[in-house]
Amino acid sequence: DGGITQSPKYLFRKEGQNVTLSCEQNLNHDAMYWYRQDPGQGLRLIYYSQIVNDFQKGDIAEGYSVSREKKESFPLTVTSAQKNPTAFYLCASSMGAGITDTQYFGPGTRLTVL
Amino acid sequence: GENVEQHPSTLSVQEGDSAVIKCTYSDSASNYFPWYKQELGKGPQLIIDIRSNVGEKKDQRIAVTLNKTAKHFSLHITETQPEDSAVYFCAASSGSARQLTFGSGTQLTVLP
Repeated sequence: DGGITQSPKYLFRKEGQNVTLSCEQNLNHDAMYWYRQDPGQGLRLIYYSQIVNDFQKGDIAEGYSVSREKKESFPLTVTSAQKNPTAFYLCASSMGAGITDTQYFGPGTRLTVL
Repeated sequence: GENVEQHPSTLSVQEGDSAVIKCTYSDSASNYFPWYKQELGKGPQLIIDIRSNVGEKKDQRIAVTLNKTAKHFSLHITETQPEDSAVYFCAASSGSARQLTFGSGTQLTVLP
């Protein structure tokens, strides 16, 4: 099956620990994105990557880091510098980086920091 | 940057009735407006989108209208069914921003 996978579905971490969320796609898409979703709010862009080995900050990049070493993979690290990391994290991909390229979303990872 | 406002935040309708969700945007350069449906615990799914050179688009029971002058766009769902119950998000994108800005979402509940 083609699609976007995110793992794990639920993740618990202690305060002060870094944690890495996985995102993999087999759609042969060039662009990938990370969003954060808080209750009652829309999605906010953390980072995006238009091509391998390149990525740009979104609206709320502070406390997060990413890498794009392979076309299929775009892992997100939530660092201890992120003040309020508990949230639902969504990864997306699109065929190109054009603004009208449809973004397809993965199932999400719910991160809870204790 | 772009700002997207979405109303209402919650909407309850009887099965078979119509539902309308409205969004306004601030950046007059925005030219792409997708709508996403998110079911509980899942990622959003694109249900319909519209580009700025079109005023209306329909896909079976779903339609989207765009008023560029007023900078607002709306989602219309006719003959609602219980499986339409979900959170709906609008979004806007402009060439200068090269990214989507999302509204805050509408929880639609279709009552049987």
